[in-house]
Amino acid sequence: AQSVTQPDIHITVSEGASLELRCNYSYGATPYLFWYVQSPGQGLQLLLKYFSGDTLVQGIKGFEAEFKRSQSSFNLRKPSVHWSDAAEYFCAVFGAGNMLTFGGGTRLMVKP
Amino acid sequence: NAGVMQNPRHLVRRRGQEARLRCSPMKGHSHVYWYRQLPEEGLKFMVYLQKENIIDESGMPKERFSAEFPKEGPSILRIQQVVRGDSAAYFCASSPALQTPGELFFGEGSRLTVL
Repeated sequence: AQSVTQPDIHITVSEGASLELRCNYSYGATPYLFWYVQSPGQGLQLLLKYFSGDTLVQGIKGFEAEFKRSQSSFNLRKPSVHWSDAAEYFCAVFGAGNMLTFGGGTRLMVKP
Repeated sequence: NAGVMQNPRHLVRRRGQEARLRCSPMKGHSHVYWYRQLPEEGLKFMVYLQKENIIDESGMPKERFSAEFPKEGPSILRIQQVVRGDSAAYFCASSPALQTPGELFFGEGSRLTVL
């Protein structure tokens, strides 16, 4: 069965600073990987996805993520964080059973 | 083009009552997923349905919980005899088919509080 680990429960960065959120997955085959964002009291919105091909994928809102098979990682990055990026971020893998398995999430706080 | 619609957004029940949560998928979507999010936790898969069929219910408790997605109308997640531990946000997601596997469109959730 697949699993996803997000090692950082909370991260605080200053506005304008760079951001990297970590994600490690476990899945036997080539994974389909996703990052979703959840604003308080809201549902989840897809930021970006990796299916195959170029290991660096671009998403919405200036986010990107890099798939590294050797490290089983799919870390999310943004060069300059905005206050509106404060939210909870979930990494997910789509695999067996045609379902998305989510990590525990990383809550991002942005300091002015 | 309306997104995934869930209602009620907030529901308060006393222990032992029934909770019924509804989800209307996006137009043209035939796959529905239900996830549960406990406070300060990630989303846990509960059940995956297609029209009139339960495809995978491995994440759903065997007792008190049931789900359906009838030919007409919304998908329903039903929780009988609720207990305090059922308090959570329940999210529905839909997808058109498997050509974009994993790309789910989420509703805003139904937040159940059990007193």
